[in-house]
Amino acid sequence: KAGVTQTPRYLIKTRGQQVTLSCSPISGHRSVSWYQQTPGQGLQFLFEYFSETQRNKGNFPGRFSGRQFSNSRSEMNVSTLELGDSALYLCASSPRGASVEKLFFGSGTQLSVL
Amino acid sequence: AQKITQTQPGMFVQEKEAVTLDCTYDTSDPSYGLFWYKQPSSGEMIFLIYQGSYDQQNATEGRYSLNFQKARKSANLVISASQLGDSAMYFCAMKYNFNKFYFGSGTKLNVKP
Repeated sequence: KAGVTQTPRYLIKTRGQQVTLSCSPISGHRSVSWYQQTPGQGLQFLFEYFSETQRNKGNFPGRFSGRQFSNSRSEMNVSTLELGDSALYLCASSPRGASVEKLFFGSGTQLSVL
Repeated sequence: AQKITQTQPGMFVQEKEAVTLDCTYDTSDPSYGLFWYKQPSSGEMIFLIYQGSYDQQNATEGRYSLNFQKARKSANLVISASQLGDSAMYFCAMKYNFNKFYFGSGTKLNVKP
């Protein structure tokens, strides 16, 4: 069974640009969540999707958005990039998103904003 | 507010020895899950062990065990017989309310040969 796949692995953008990150969950998993990891702030929850609906959202500005498709694949978009958006963005999936389910993480997308 | 605290930014352990990584949490929700993840330099988060708030026994997964003390709100990870490949960042996390995880700041473990 294939794991969680995130593309691209690395991205370099400049301030003001926008970026879209992609995440393909494990087959059969319907819950996808996104996390931002930085040295200063650690791992922070961005949002979670289940059956194409956003169920939960962290404390991030509206420049951060996401969506989920009918095949459970998810995309995350960051508009008007700022230097502080440089981070490792991790996607995770689980079957239903229940509290007892462990998350399976992808390898992440390393975003650098210049 | 939910909170996860890992007080050990870095630790060293001799190969083949056991090591305990500390984690305390704070929540008023009676139902929650506690997880430990390992993050090697490659960046991927690898699941190690899980403990549910209603579980009576401490969780074990191979060389990993979780010392769960509910009254003290602690969920320490014990790694027995450390191996060089155990060198990585270790994150304690608490999960409730669907997939909203709170992660601790992590502990960098270095295993010395």
